[in-house]
Amino acid sequence: KQEVTQIPAALSVPEGENLVLNCSFTDSAIYNLQWFRQDPGKGLTSLLLIQSSQREQTSGRLNASLDKSSGRSTLYIAASQPGDSATYLCAVRPNAGKSTFGDGTTLTVKP
Amino acid sequence: EAGVAQSPRYKIIEKRQSVAFWCNPISGHATLYWYQQILGQGPKLLIQFQNNGVVDDSQLPKDRFSAERLKGVDSTLKIQPAKLEDSAVYLCASSLVRRGILYEQYFGPGTRLTVT
Repeated sequence: KQEVTQIPAALSVPEGENLVLNCSFTDSAIYNLQWFRQDPGKGLTSLLLIQSSQREQTSGRLNASLDKSSGRSTLYIAASQPGDSATYLCAVRPNAGKSTFGDGTTLTVKP
Repeated sequence: EAGVAQSPRYKIIEKRQSVAFWCNPISGHATLYWYQQILGQGPKLLIQFQNNGVVDDSQLPKDRFSAERLKGVDSTLKIQPAKLEDSAVYLCASSLVRRGILYEQYFGPGTRLTVT
């Protein structure tokens, strides 16, 4: 059974700082991994999708990497802004299976 | 393109009552998912449809939950009878399948259910 862990559960940083969010998974036989953002009381917004054959994806100030052998993915946020404050979730989809979500990291960026 | 639509956005019911949620996925997305998200946790998949067929419902409490996707487009999720522990946000998502490749999931705004 796939288990997905996101540590830390909460993170507070000053504006402008570069930061890394972590996602660990137990089964390396994955199909893809997706990072989401969730604002309070809202649904999930897709940030980046990494297919199994890829090692990283970039979108603006965001860069996500995937290392299947070590069971890790990281989401790098450059030059953080107060508007980046949200909960960030990763979802791991195994081969021909359902996605398993982590419980998220709640990020606060202080002005 | 229009996103995933869900209704209602909020619902308050008493335990043992029934409730239904509706979802309209992004046009052309063959795969539709229903998730349950309890406060402070990540979403948990309840059921996954491919067109109008069920792909995975292993975590759906079938004694009280049911879902259908008629004509492979809209979907409804029903709870009958509701329990206090069903209080959660119910999220609908959809994704495109092309040449056997599953693409990213897009989520609706969710329905917040409170059972009193």
